[in-house]
Amino acid sequence: DSGVTQTPKHLITATGQRVTLRCSPRSGDLSVYWYQQSLDQGLQFLIQYYNGEERAKGNILERFSAQQFPDLHSELNLSSLELGDSALYFCASSGAGGFYEQYFGPGTRLTVT
Amino acid sequence: QQPVQSPQAVILREGEDAVINCSSSKALYSVHWYRQKHGEAPVFLMILLKGGEQKGHDKISASFNEKKQQSSLYLTASQLSYSGTYFCGVQTGANNLFFGTGTRLTVIP
Repeated sequence: DSGVTQTPKHLITATGQRVTLRCSPRSGDLSVYWYQQSLDQGLQFLIQYYNGEERAKGNILERFSAQQFPDLHSELNLSSLELGDSALYFCASSGAGGFYEQYFGPGTRLTVT
Repeated sequence: QQPVQSPQAVILREGEDAVINCSSSKALYSVHWYRQKHGEAPVFLMILLKGGEQKGHDKISASFNEKKQQSSLYLTASQLSYSGTYFCGVQTGANNLFFGTGTRLTVIP
């Protein structure tokens, strides 16, 4: 158990819909990272927040957005969902502001039908 | 900017050694190694920063050749628990991390 929690575990929704994935980092960690893992694209970095501020941005689509709240939990919002958005979404946390040792949560499996 | 990992898959008997390579077309800031078991989240193994350092973690070690833009992960005297998919992640700048497609390692008795 990494200490990072993600909810929900599974999510099934239809194309065009909007969903919110939630992540709580390990106690004391200020950084939260979001990743998308699909069979054809592998593990892709989406975005990082550090202490409430956006720190780094990867290959995140404009339909996707994230935020980190004062209690340090983070949410990833996915809108206008397409079939290709079906994937495993991981959240990771770290005590540092850059890309250092990251602890991954169990992931949310999103299925878009 | 995704690094290339080789081999894509390898099968070992317990006690055998393996090397997994990670190669980038761009200059590297750092290299990160993670292992992911089937149905689980990736688990951090080690980070190597610029400078050609070598790091070790029990019987797993890695090297980073900055000039060649390559890193290698060495697994010695493999154990059944080493089975999983190994990912290298490379930083080509301060604000991004690109992962390779992974190397599936299977250790058999």
